[in-house]
Amino acid sequence: EAGVAQSPRYKIIEKRQSVAFWCNPISGHATLYWYQQILGQGPKLLIQFQNNGVVDDSQLPKDRFSAERLKGVDSTLKIQPAKLEDSAVYLCASSIQGAVILYEQYFGPGTRLTVT
Amino acid sequence: AQSVTQPDIHITVSEGASLELRCNYSYGATPYLFWYVQSPGQGLQLLLKYFSGDTLVQGIKGFEAEFKRSQSSFNLRKPSVHWSDAAEYFCAVAPNTGFQKLVFGTGTRLLVSP
Repeated sequence: EAGVAQSPRYKIIEKRQSVAFWCNPISGHATLYWYQQILGQGPKLLIQFQNNGVVDDSQLPKDRFSAERLKGVDSTLKIQPAKLEDSAVYLCASSIQGAVILYEQYFGPGTRLTVT
Repeated sequence: AQSVTQPDIHITVSEGASLELRCNYSYGATPYLFWYVQSPGQGLQLLLKYFSGDTLVQGIKGFEAEFKRSQSSFNLRKPSVHWSDAAEYFCAVAPNTGFQKLVFGTGTRLLVSP
């Protein structure tokens, strides 16, 4: 079974530029998550989708971050414009459904973003 | 607000020695508890989880964790560490009511010496 795919794996941009990350979840997984992992910290949930609807985006900086999951499969996370503090690894995860105690989240390898 | 504390940033263990990684949580009610491992360049993988019942939980790769309500702790253990266990380990919690989302600790990096 193929895992969660993410691209690109690495990205270096200058501040104020824009960037987009792509995630392809495991086939059949209805729930998709985007996490931000800053160096020295644990992952922090940015946004959670159930199919193509947003379940939680309370920690997404909506003035600069946006995410979509068209057709309930692939997802894109965008940052525009980027700030230095956005340097982090962006992890995508998926699960069959959203109940964390019942359904394991499977994580992709992440995209490491460096903002200079 | 719920929080997770992993007091050890780095731990070095000799191969074959036992391992214990500490995790403490702060929450009004006992949350669901998880341990994840993150190997270099890879995503997180679930090792084990606890939500009720037996306080000693068995996981994959020979890991186990013990829930102690009186100490608000959920420490991860392994009796004999292998070099391949070198990785970063994250404790996480999720509330047992309402909307469930994972809140991660800051992680403990495990180094294994020969």
